[in-house]
Amino acid sequence: EAGVTQSPTHLIKTRGQQVTLRCSPISGHTSVYWYQQALGLGLQFLLWYDEGEERNRGNFPPRFSGRQFPNYSSELNVNALELEDSALYLCASSLPRSSYEQYFGPGTRLTVT
Amino acid sequence: AQSVTQLGSHVSVSEGALVLLRCNYSSSVPPYLFWYVQYPNQGLQLLLKYTSAATLVKGINGFEAEFKKSETSFHLTKPSAHMSDAAEYFCAVRKGASGTYKYIFGTGTRLKVLA
Repeated sequence: EAGVTQSPTHLIKTRGQQVTLRCSPISGHTSVYWYQQALGLGLQFLLWYDEGEERNRGNFPPRFSGRQFPNYSSELNVNALELEDSALYLCASSLPRSSYEQYFGPGTRLTVT
Repeated sequence: AQSVTQLGSHVSVSEGALVLLRCNYSSSVPPYLFWYVQYPNQGLQLLLKYTSAATLVKGINGFEAEFKKSETSFHLTKPSAHMSDAAEYFCAVRKGASGTYKYIFGTGTRLKVLA
């Protein structure tokens, strides 16, 4: 069974640019979560999508947004990049909302210069 | 407000020694608690979870954790450390109502195993 996949694995952007990160959940999983893992800050919850709808979001500005597609894959968009957006962005998926277990992808390492 | 606190950002143990990684949570309702492990350049892998069943939870790779409500703790232990246990460990709590919950992670503890 294929795990959660994320693309790209690494990317470098300039301050002020926009970036789109992609996540494909495990087959049969309808929930997708996005986290930001900045150095020394642990994982910060960004967004949760379930069955195409945004269910919850963390304390991040509106320039962090995303969506979930009918096939349950998801995109995370970050506009007007700032230096402090440099981090590992992790995606996780799970079965429908009643499930406890999240399965994580390997992440996308974003560097903003 | 911080919901999960991991004491010690770095812990070193000798191979074969007891591993103890500390996690305290703050929650007004019975929580769902988790421990994850992250190896270098990889995502997180679930070690074990507490979902209000048995207070002593056994996970993968010989790890276990005990939920202690009186101490609001969920410490992770392993009787004998192995070199392959070197990684970063995260404690997490699930908070919120059904359909709108979120997972709150601690800042992580990096475990070093000395030969």
